Amino acid sequence: AQRVTQPEKLLSVFKGAPVELKCNYSYSGSPELFWYVQYSRQRLQLLLRHISRESIKGFTADLNKGETSFHLKKPFAQEEDSAMYYCALSPRAGGYQKVTFGIGTKLQVIP
Amino acid sequence: NAGVTQTPKFQVLKTGQSMTLQCAQDMNHNSMYWYRQDPGMGLRLIYYSASEGTTDKGEVPNGYNVSRLNKREFSLRLESAAPSQTSVYFCASSVPPDRVEPQHFGDGTRLSIL
Repeated sequence: AQRVTQPEKLLSVFKGAPVELKCNYSYSGSPELFWYVQYSRQRLQLLLRHISRESIKGFTADLNKGETSFHLKKPFAQEEDSAMYYCALSPRAGGYQKVTFGIGTKLQVIP
Repeated sequence: NAGVTQTPKFQVLKTGQSMTLQCAQDMNHNSMYWYRQDPGMGLRLIYYSASEGTTDKGEVPNGYNVSRLNKREFSLRLESAAPSQTSVYFCASSVPPDRVEPQHFGDGTRLSIL
Protein backbone atom coordinates (compact mmCIF):
# COMPACT_ATOMS: atom_id res chain seq x y z
CA ALA A 1 0.00 0.00 0.00
CA GLN A 2 1.16 3.52 -0.68
CA ARG A 3 1.69 5.97 2.13
CA VAL A 4 2.79 9.58 2.50
CA THR A 5 4.24 10.87 5.76
CA GLN A 6 4.66 14.48 6.70
CA PRO A 7 6.29 14.30 10.13
CA GLU A 8 5.74 17.91 11.15
CA LYS A 9 2.28 19.33 11.75
CA LEU A 10 3.70 22.81 12.26
CA LEU A 11 6.91 24.39 11.08
CA SER A 12 7.78 27.90 12.23
CA VAL A 13 10.64 29.81 10.63
CA PHE A 14 11.74 33.41 10.60
CA LYS A 15 11.43 35.52 7.50
CA GLY A 16 14.56 35.13 5.39
CA ALA A 17 15.46 31.75 6.90
CA PRO A 18 15.61 28.58 4.79
CA VAL A 19 12.56 26.34 4.69
CA GLU A 20 12.42 22.58 4.38
CA LEU A 21 9.09 20.81 4.56
CA LYS A 22 9.63 17.10 4.90
CA CYS A 23 7.81 14.39 2.99
CA ASN A 24 8.57 10.68 3.03
CA TYR A 25 6.71 8.04 1.11
CA SER A 26 6.37 4.31 0.84
CA TYR A 27 5.51 2.71 -2.46
CA SER A 28 6.97 -0.33 -4.17
CA GLY A 29 6.80 1.02 -7.71
CA SER A 30 7.83 4.26 -9.36
CA PRO A 31 5.59 7.05 -8.10
CA GLU A 32 4.80 10.55 -9.13
CA LEU A 33 5.09 13.06 -6.31
CA PHE A 34 3.42 16.44 -5.86
CA TRP A 35 3.18 19.34 -3.46
CA TYR A 36 -0.06 21.20 -2.90
CA VAL A 37 -0.57 24.44 -1.00
CA GLN A 38 -3.57 26.05 0.64
CA TYR A 39 -3.27 29.69 1.62
CA SER A 40 -5.64 31.14 4.16
CA ARG A 41 -9.15 31.48 2.75
CA GLN A 42 -8.06 30.16 -0.64
CA ARG A 43 -8.54 26.91 -2.51
CA LEU A 44 -6.15 24.03 -2.38
CA GLN A 45 -3.88 24.31 -5.38
CA LEU A 46 -1.16 22.29 -7.01
CA LEU A 47 2.24 23.83 -6.28
CA LEU A 48 4.62 21.59 -8.18
CA ARG A 49 5.19 18.14 -9.67
CA HIS A 50 8.46 16.29 -9.42
CA ILE A 51 8.46 15.27 -13.09
CA SER A 52 8.33 18.91 -14.14
CA ARG A 53 11.53 19.72 -12.24
CA GLU A 54 10.24 23.24 -11.85
CA SER A 55 10.63 25.99 -9.30
CA ILE A 56 7.41 27.66 -8.26
CA LYS A 57 7.41 30.75 -6.04
CA GLY A 58 11.02 29.94 -5.18
CA PHE A 59 10.16 26.41 -3.98
CA THR A 60 11.86 23.30 -5.31
CA ALA A 61 11.51 19.63 -4.47
CA ASP A 62 13.77 16.77 -5.45
CA LEU A 63 12.69 13.16 -5.50
CA ASN A 64 15.20 11.03 -3.62
CA LYS A 65 14.33 7.42 -4.41
CA GLY A 66 17.04 6.06 -2.13
CA GLU A 67 15.63 7.85 0.90
CA THR A 68 12.05 7.75 -0.45
CA SER A 69 11.71 11.45 0.21
CA PHE A 70 10.37 14.49 -1.59
CA HIS A 71 11.18 17.43 0.63
CA LEU A 72 10.03 20.92 -0.32
CA LYS A 73 12.67 23.61 0.01
CA LYS A 74 13.03 27.34 -0.28
CA PRO A 75 16.24 29.23 0.52
CA PHE A 76 14.62 32.35 1.99
CA ALA A 77 11.16 32.25 3.55
CA GLN A 78 8.70 35.07 2.93
CA GLU A 79 5.65 35.98 5.00
CA GLU A 80 3.35 35.14 2.10
CA ASP A 81 4.62 31.56 2.20
CA SER A 82 2.61 30.95 5.37
CA ALA A 83 0.10 28.24 4.45
CA MET A 84 -0.76 24.57 4.71
CA TYR A 85 1.37 22.33 2.54
CA TYR A 86 0.41 18.83 1.47
CA CYS A 87 2.62 16.22 -0.11
CA ALA A 88 0.92 13.71 -2.40
CA LEU A 89 1.79 10.55 -4.31
CA SER A 90 0.31 8.90 -7.39
CA PRO A 91 1.13 5.32 -8.43
CA ARG A 92 0.25 5.76 -12.10
CA ALA A 93 -0.58 2.06 -12.10
CA GLY A 94 -3.24 0.55 -14.33
CA GLY A 95 -4.40 3.91 -15.64
CA TYR A 96 -6.24 4.61 -12.42
CA GLN A 97 -5.47 7.94 -10.88
CA LYS A 98 -5.38 7.37 -7.16
CA VAL A 99 -3.52 10.05 -5.33
CA THR A 100 -2.63 9.69 -1.66
CA PHE A 101 -2.17 12.82 0.42
CA GLY A 102 -0.16 13.40 3.56
CA ILE A 103 -1.77 15.04 6.57
CA GLY A 104 -0.18 18.38 5.82
CA THR A 105 2.30 20.73 7.44
CA LYS A 106 1.40 24.23 8.48
CA LEU A 107 4.19 26.64 7.63
CA GLN A 108 4.29 29.75 9.76
CA VAL A 109 6.73 32.46 8.69
CA ILE A 110 7.50 34.82 11.54
CA PRO A 111 8.15 38.45 10.53
CA ASN B 1 -13.30 31.98 -14.27
CA ALA B 2 -15.30 29.80 -11.90
CA GLY B 3 -13.15 26.66 -12.25
CA VAL B 4 -14.66 24.10 -9.85
CA THR B 5 -17.84 25.18 -8.09
CA GLN B 6 -19.25 23.36 -5.08
CA THR B 7 -22.63 23.83 -3.45
CA PRO B 8 -23.54 24.22 -0.69
CA LYS B 9 -20.61 25.70 1.25
CA PHE B 10 -22.02 24.73 4.63
CA GLN B 11 -24.66 22.25 5.72
CA VAL B 12 -25.92 20.82 8.99
CA LEU B 13 -27.84 17.56 8.90
CA LYS B 14 -29.43 15.28 11.41
CA THR B 15 -28.43 11.65 11.56
CA GLY B 16 -30.37 9.67 8.97
CA GLN B 17 -31.11 12.59 6.67
CA SER B 18 -30.00 12.50 3.06
CA MET B 19 -28.44 15.15 0.90
CA THR B 20 -26.53 15.68 -2.31
CA LEU B 21 -23.37 17.74 -2.66
CA GLN B 22 -23.09 19.32 -6.06
CA CYS B 23 -19.92 19.94 -8.04
CA ALA B 24 -19.50 21.49 -11.49
CA GLN B 25 -16.43 22.42 -13.51
CA ASP B 26 -16.23 24.65 -16.56
CA MET B 27 -12.78 23.63 -17.80
CA ASN B 28 -13.88 20.69 -19.96
CA HIS B 29 -11.91 18.32 -17.73
CA ASN B 30 -12.48 14.59 -18.06
CA SER B 31 -11.58 13.45 -14.55
CA MET B 32 -13.39 14.51 -11.41
CA TYR B 33 -12.87 13.54 -7.78
CA TRP B 34 -14.52 13.71 -4.41
CA TYR B 35 -12.32 13.91 -1.32
CA ARG B 36 -13.00 14.29 2.34
CA GLN B 37 -10.66 16.05 4.71
CA ASP B 38 -10.58 15.21 8.38
CA PRO B 39 -8.24 16.52 11.09
CA GLY B 40 -4.99 14.58 11.20
CA MET B 41 -5.87 12.47 8.17
CA GLY B 42 -5.22 14.57 5.10
CA LEU B 43 -7.44 14.23 2.05
CA ARG B 44 -8.92 10.83 1.32
CA LEU B 45 -10.46 9.89 -2.00
CA ILE B 46 -14.13 8.91 -1.82
CA TYR B 47 -14.96 8.42 -5.50
CA TYR B 48 -13.39 9.13 -8.80
CA SER B 49 -14.84 9.59 -12.30
CA ALA B 50 -12.62 9.24 -15.36
CA SER B 51 -15.29 10.40 -17.77
CA GLU B 52 -19.00 10.97 -18.20
CA GLY B 53 -20.94 7.93 -17.12
CA THR B 54 -18.07 6.19 -15.33
CA THR B 55 -17.29 6.14 -11.63
CA ASP B 56 -14.91 4.20 -9.41
CA LYS B 57 -14.51 3.76 -5.69
CA GLY B 58 -11.69 5.41 -3.85
CA GLU B 59 -10.30 4.79 -0.40
CA VAL B 60 -13.42 5.56 1.67
CA PRO B 61 -16.57 4.99 -0.45
CA ASN B 62 -18.86 3.43 2.18
CA GLY B 63 -21.97 5.48 2.87
CA TYR B 64 -21.69 7.50 -0.34
CA ASN B 65 -22.98 7.34 -3.87
CA VAL B 66 -21.95 9.44 -6.84
CA SER B 67 -23.38 10.41 -10.17
CA ARG B 68 -21.60 11.70 -13.29
CA LEU B 69 -24.46 12.47 -15.64
CA ASN B 70 -22.47 14.79 -17.88
CA LYS B 71 -18.94 16.04 -18.30
CA ARG B 72 -19.44 19.14 -16.14
CA GLU B 73 -21.15 17.75 -13.07
CA PHE B 74 -20.20 15.18 -10.44
CA SER B 75 -22.49 14.87 -7.45
CA LEU B 76 -21.96 13.11 -4.13
CA ARG B 77 -24.93 11.73 -2.23
CA LEU B 78 -25.26 10.72 1.39
CA GLU B 79 -28.31 8.47 1.60
CA SER B 80 -28.44 8.23 5.39
CA ALA B 81 -26.06 10.63 7.05
CA ALA B 82 -24.02 9.48 10.03
CA PRO B 83 -21.94 11.56 12.49
CA SER B 84 -18.80 9.87 11.12
CA GLN B 85 -19.44 11.67 7.85
CA THR B 86 -18.92 15.05 9.45
CA SER B 87 -16.08 16.44 7.39
CA VAL B 88 -15.01 18.95 4.79
CA TYR B 89 -15.67 17.68 1.28
CA PHE B 90 -13.67 18.76 -1.73
CA CYS B 91 -14.40 18.25 -5.37
CA ALA B 92 -11.54 18.40 -7.87
CA SER B 93 -10.90 17.93 -11.57
CA SER B 94 -8.03 17.16 -13.93
CA VAL B 95 -7.19 16.28 -17.52
CA PRO B 96 -5.70 12.78 -17.94
CA PRO B 97 -3.84 10.93 -19.25
CA ASP B 98 -0.90 13.27 -19.02
CA ARG B 99 -2.04 14.46 -15.60
CA VAL B 100 -2.73 11.82 -12.97
CA GLU B 101 -3.21 14.27 -10.12
CA PRO B 102 -6.19 16.50 -9.29
CA GLN B 103 -5.33 19.93 -10.64
CA HIS B 104 -8.19 22.19 -9.60
CA PHE B 105 -10.17 22.14 -6.40
CA GLY B 106 -13.42 23.68 -5.29
CA ASP B 107 -13.82 25.74 -2.12
CA GLY B 108 -15.12 22.78 -0.17
CA THR B 109 -18.36 21.94 1.62
CA ARG B 110 -18.28 21.89 5.40
CA LEU B 111 -20.77 19.26 6.50
CA SER B 112 -21.83 18.66 10.10
CA ILE B 113 -24.02 15.75 11.07
CA LEU B 114 -25.65 15.84 14.46
